Amino acid sequence: DSGVTQTPKHLITATGQRVTLRCSPRSGDLSVYWYQQSLDQGLQFLIHYYNGEERAKGNILERFSAQQFPDLHSELNLSSLELGDSALYFCASSLRRDISNYGYTFGSGTRLTVV
Amino acid sequence: GEDVEQSLFLSVREGDSSVINCTYTDSSSTYLYWYKQEPGAGLQLLTYIFSNMDMKQDQRLTVLLNKKDKHLSLRIADTQTGDSAIYFCGGGNYGGSQGNLIFGKGTKLSVKP
Repeated sequence: DSGVTQTPKHLITATGQRVTLRCSPRSGDLSVYWYQQSLDQGLQFLIHYYNGEERAKGNILERFSAQQFPDLHSELNLSSLELGDSALYFCASSLRRDISNYGYTFGSGTRLTVV
Repeated sequence: GEDVEQSLFLSVREGDSSVINCTYTDSSSTYLYWYKQEPGAGLQLLTYIFSNMDMKQDQRLTVLLNKKDKHLSLRIADTQTGDSAIYFCGGGNYGGSQGNLIFGKGTKLSVKP
C-alpha cells in the first residue's frame, strides 16, 4: 500500500455522462498530481495542485476539471464523456511543491471504461 | 517543455542483464527517475539520479546519465522473472514553472525463464 488512495478502482459509464474520481494523498503530502494512462498516449500529465491551489496544467481537456479541498484530498471531474476517455487515471502525491529526490508516490489508479 | 522517449519493448532471459534506454529533450531537467509498473498496479519509484551525477548504483540497478546526449539508461543485473513489468523514465525541472514529472510511454520488459 503506497498510502495514496484512489476511489473507485473501476468505473463503467456511458458516453455523455459525468464522473468524479477521488484521491486521498499520502499523509503529510501537500501536492496532488493527476495523470491519464492510455495505450497509445502513455502516461500524460493532467494537472497539479499544491495545498489547495492549482500549480500547473498539462494536457487536460476543457471537459475535465479538478480541485483540491482543505483536507487535501482531490477530485477529478470528467464530463461529456467520450469513448476515447477510457483510460487508467492515476493520482500521485508528494510533500513539496517542486520535484525532489523523493519523486512522487502513486495510487493504484481508477480504470474508467466509457461504453 | 520536456519530451521523453523510450523503446516500447525489451525481452531478456532470466539471469541476463537488461538495459532500458531513455532520451529526453529538456537539458534543464534536474531530476531523472525510473519507475516500475507491475500489472494492475500503480507506478513505484525505483531510483532517481540528480543532473550533476553520471552514474548511480543501487543493488542490482545501475543508472547512467549522459547529459551531453540527453540519454538515460537503467541496467538491471541478474534479471529475474519478477522484474517483468513496464518501466517508465521521467524527468522534471526543480523550481521550474511546472514542477511536474513528464514520463515516457514506458518500456515493457519481458523476462523469459
